[in-house]
Amino acid sequence: EAGVAQSPRYKIIEKRQSVAFWCNPISGHATLYWYQQILGQGPKLLIQFQNNGVVDDSQLPKDRFSAERLKGVDSTLKIQPAKLEDSAVYLCASRPDKSSYNSPLHFGNGTRLTVT
Amino acid sequence: AQSVSQHNHHVILSEAASLELGCNYSYGGTVNLFWYVQYPGQHLQLLLKYFSGDPLVKGIKGFEAEFIKSKFSFNLRKPSVQWSDTAEYFCAVNARSGAGSYQLTFGKGTKLSVIP
Repeated sequence: EAGVAQSPRYKIIEKRQSVAFWCNPISGHATLYWYQQILGQGPKLLIQFQNNGVVDDSQLPKDRFSAERLKGVDSTLKIQPAKLEDSAVYLCASRPDKSSYNSPLHFGNGTRLTVT
Repeated sequence: AQSVSQHNHHVILSEAASLELGCNYSYGGTVNLFWYVQYPGQHLQLLLKYFSGDPLVKGIKGFEAEFIKSKFSFNLRKPSVQWSDTAEYFCAVNARSGAGSYQLTFGKGTKLSVIP
């Protein structure tokens, strides 16, 4: 099966600019996650979708971050305006459905964001 | 909220040496435990997982991990490492979050460098 697709692979922007990342999960996977991985740290969950609905966005900085999954398939994560501390790798992951809570996540290659 | 602690930030070993990476978690309820590996330039991949039953689980590439409930630990082991094991290793716990959904929480990771 095809894996989780993410684009772009790299992005460099100046602070206060906006940026968007795109993710296409594995076909048929209902649950989609966005993680932020700052250098030297483990991935931190930003938001979880089940189909096109948000399940958990408690750790998403909503003043500048937004995410959507309008048709329940691919998803976009946006940052506006970006800050220096947003420099990180943004990972998208998916799993079949919410009830398969003990099944592993499948990760994409991530988007490496550098804010200057 | 659950948390995961990995004891070593960077481990350097010679080929054929034995490996043990420590992982402790804090969560009072039922957990599922995972080890993920990230090879240079690649995405996160599942190494092994524990759900229930035999606390000694075997994963890919000769890795194994032991779940010790009384110690809240899930240490990763390999009897003899190879240069190709050079990677970053992440311990993760899947448990119910405050929002009610199952959330995968990662440790900060341990970078393993194997010297030929």
